[in-house]
Amino acid sequence: DIQMTQSPSSLSASIGDRVTITCRASQTIGRYLNWYQQKTGKAPKLLIYGASTLQSGVPPRFGGSGSDRDFTLTISSLQPEDFALYFCQQSYTSPFTFGQGTTLEIK
Amino acid sequence: EVQLVESGGGLVQPGGSLRLSCAASGFTFNYYWMSWVRQAPGKGLEWVANIKQDGSERYYVDSVTGRFTISRDNAMNSLYLQMSSLRAEDTAIYYCARGSRGYHGDYLEDWGQGTLVTVSS
Repeated sequence: DIQMTQSPSSLSASIGDRVTITCRASQTIGRYLNWYQQKTGKAPKLLIYGASTLQSGVPPRFGGSGSDRDFTLTISSLQPEDFALYFCQQSYTSPFTFGQGTTLEIK
Repeated sequence: EVQLVESGGGLVQPGGSLRLSCAASGFTFNYYWMSWVRQAPGKGLEWVANIKQDGSERYYVDSVTGRFTISRDNAMNSLYLQMSSLRAEDTAIYYCARGSRGYHGDYLEDWGQGTLVTVSS
């Protein structure tokens, strides 16, 4: 199975900050990488697919980049509603494994 | 509006069985792959299984292979997960999700609210 490793596991930041979360695959996956946001007690929500395509309705302050093994999720200017848990997921081959998650907290 | 509503969760003893259901509406169900994803309490997400539009292809994570069966009824717009030989480590919220396919692979575009399965004696 492909292992997905996110870093950091948790991150403290302030409103207006620019933050970056990284995701590394244990083998090359092209651009078969998705990002999800999950708020406490809620289902995950798709943010980005295909490494960099923004899902409809997601604010443009969210951006994704990368290919092969290394990927990043960037939030250009943190808003209060962005403090949540973030997961990457590879869709290159089954099982479509997730990263362990990154908790984004208010500083 | 896409809606996915899971049901069937509950408390079950180790070794027992349970069948989860997901009622879909707001989209043409038989056009989409469907998936189950689970999340143990306080833990991350684990992709469990998915099924092709016509049910002809099904894939599972190794930890559930041989114990869980994903199926669908396109006439009823419903997705199922039959779980047997349940273990404590299967305790989780189980989410139903609609899959979409892009140029760079599949992604889970819509999710239900989840149903909690607790395996305990």
